[in-house]
Amino acid sequence: AQRVTQPEKLLSVFKGAPVELKCNYSYSGSPELFWYVQYSRQRLQLLLRHISRESIKGFTADLNKGETSFHLKKPFAQEEDSAMYYCALGGDWANNLFFGTGTRLTVIP
Amino acid sequence: KAGVTQTPRYLIKTRGQQVTLSCSPISGHRSVSWYQQTPGQGLQFLFEYFSETQRNKGNFPGRFSGRQFSNSRSEMNVSTLELGDSALYLCASSTQGSGKNIQYFGAGTRLSVL
Repeated sequence: AQRVTQPEKLLSVFKGAPVELKCNYSYSGSPELFWYVQYSRQRLQLLLRHISRESIKGFTADLNKGETSFHLKKPFAQEEDSAMYYCALGGDWANNLFFGTGTRLTVIP
Repeated sequence: KAGVTQTPRYLIKTRGQQVTLSCSPISGHRSVSWYQQTPGQGLQFLFEYFSETQRNKGNFPGRFSGRQFSNSRSEMNVSTLELGDSALYLCASSTQGSGKNIQYFGAGTRLSVL
């Protein structure tokens, strides 16, 4: 069965400090992993996806199939990074995403 | 390009009533997925429509149903409302019928059942 686990509900870091939001998944097929972000009073939006292998707003995430993880990292947190972050797993063919419970990141000035 | 539009933004209903929510996808997108978001359960997949056909369904009772029209607009219906149906209902659209495509979300419809 598909499952996404985000162990931290809340995470607080100081501005300029590194940040890592953890995500582990369970899926027997070929996983497609995403990070979605929801800023205050805004809609849920894609931050990045593993097949793009790009850095968005300084964030990166590497798919580790051995550890079934897709952790989100940023070397220097900014105040504008404060938001709710969701890790999501896409199925092989249909447009249904399995979401983790989310991590609320607060960057302290 | 206009984003995903959901109407209405807010709804208040009483137990036993039924409700219909609407979603207009981004122009050119043929796939529409629906999700329920609650504080306790988080974001849960309801169902997905592609080219007017329901292709996938989550683990929700039959009171939850939907449909998609030829212009890709989609509606979701909940019958015999229960208190536990109070939630934010999100709609997302995508270009094609594959889990490997980016989904674009609407702002949601917040349903309160009294």
